[in-house]
Amino acid sequence: DGGITQSPKYLFRKEGQNVTLSCEQNLNHDAMYWYRQDPGQGLRLIYYSQIVNDFQKGDIAEGYSVSREKKESFPLTVTSAQKNPTAFYLCASSKSGTANYGYTFGSGTRLTVV
Amino acid sequence: GENVEQHPSTLSVQEGDSAVIKCTYSDSASNYFPWYKQELGKGPQLIIDIRSNVGEKKDQRIAVTLNKTAKHFSLHITETQPEDSAVYFCAASMQGAGGTSYGKLTFGQGTILTVHP
Repeated sequence: DGGITQSPKYLFRKEGQNVTLSCEQNLNHDAMYWYRQDPGQGLRLIYYSQIVNDFQKGDIAEGYSVSREKKESFPLTVTSAQKNPTAFYLCASSKSGTANYGYTFGSGTRLTVV
Repeated sequence: GENVEQHPSTLSVQEGDSAVIKCTYSDSASNYFPWYKQELGKGPQLIIDIRSNVGEKKDQRIAVTLNKTAKHFSLHITETQPEDSAVYFCAASMQGAGGTSYGKLTFGQGTILTVHP
């Protein structure tokens, strides 16, 4: 079955460490997105990519970095510059073209700073 | 940029009652409005969507209405069941210029729906 896979499900980070969250999709979707979810604040866009080797900052990109070397993969690195990284991170993908399409979300990664 | 406001933040109903969640958006160019359901510890799942050329869409017990003039859209769930309990998100996006999809969704803050047996 086609889908979008995030790993790991839970991740613990020490102060000053960089960590990378994995996101892989086999839906042949062109566009991929990273969202951060905090209680009571909905979903906030971190980065998005509409084609390979290209990506744009979202609303809260500071302290994060991404790469899009393959269509299927869109990893997110949470750097030590992100001062409050504890959150639930969601990756999504969608078709792109002449009409908007809904997203397919992964099951999320819960990141905790220890 | 687009701003989406969602109300109420929490909604509690008895099984069998109807539930309505409302969203407003700011950018009149937005033309695609999906709704997502998120169960605890999982990613959101698309449950219904509507485009700006349609005023209402139904799928079994769920329906969405869109008022472009007022820039608001609503989710209606009839005959609610305990398994409808979840967080619901509305979202909006617009198609980019020249026919190329812009695609980036802006989400509302979410509504926690609880259906009591």
